[in-house]
Amino acid sequence: NAGVTQTPKFRILKIGQSMTLQCTQDMNHNYMYWYRQDPGMGLKLIYYSVGAGITDKGEVPNGYNVSRSTTEDFPLRLELAAPSQTSVYFCASMEDSENQPQHFGDGTRLSIL
Amino acid sequence: QKEVEQNSGPLSVPEGAIASLNCTYSDRGSQSFFWYRQYSGKSPELIMFIYSNGDKEDGRFTAQLNKASQYVSLLIRDSQPSDSATYLCAPSRDDKIIFGKGTRLHILP
Repeated sequence: NAGVTQTPKFRILKIGQSMTLQCTQDMNHNYMYWYRQDPGMGLKLIYYSVGAGITDKGEVPNGYNVSRSTTEDFPLRLELAAPSQTSVYFCASMEDSENQPQHFGDGTRLSIL
Repeated sequence: QKEVEQNSGPLSVPEGAIASLNCTYSDRGSQSFFWYRQYSGKSPELIMFIYSNGDKEDGRFTAQLNKASQYVSLLIRDSQPSDSATYLCAPSRDDKIIFGKGTRLHILP
């Protein structure tokens, strides 16, 4: 049981490039989330999904896009990378029952130069 | 008013003593309250959760919740050097969890 898997673990992008951060979970969780965490700061919600085909914006969605075609996968896309998007990105999933915690992947460390 | 407030620390506690971590939240509709531990460069990991007023104990950890005061705390007894980390308070409502910025805890050997 792998839990939540994120790839890649590290990536350096040039300004203006695009990339997709991959996230997959094998726990059959309907709820999935993308967060970013800047140094010394808390987690900020970028996008989330409550099931396949359904996505919604969090508090910092600008510059990002997501899709949810399957229960397992929730990729995050950066279309035009900017230095402000340098951060650590965490994907999480959660069972859709009361009082359930989120389970996190190991994160992707992204630098935009 | 911030949604979740925690003292950023660092909070320094001697080994073997009790560490007390506090958190206040603004959303009175919050239903469950999670405490996550995050080591530097790692992802958050769940320590424990509480959803009813009062205390909940799990090993060396005790979570305390007072919904009337919108206050939740985490006590760590017999603190160990391995407890040195950032602790994130995370109230939840419906399908979203809001994370505080965390308190850095440093256990002094």
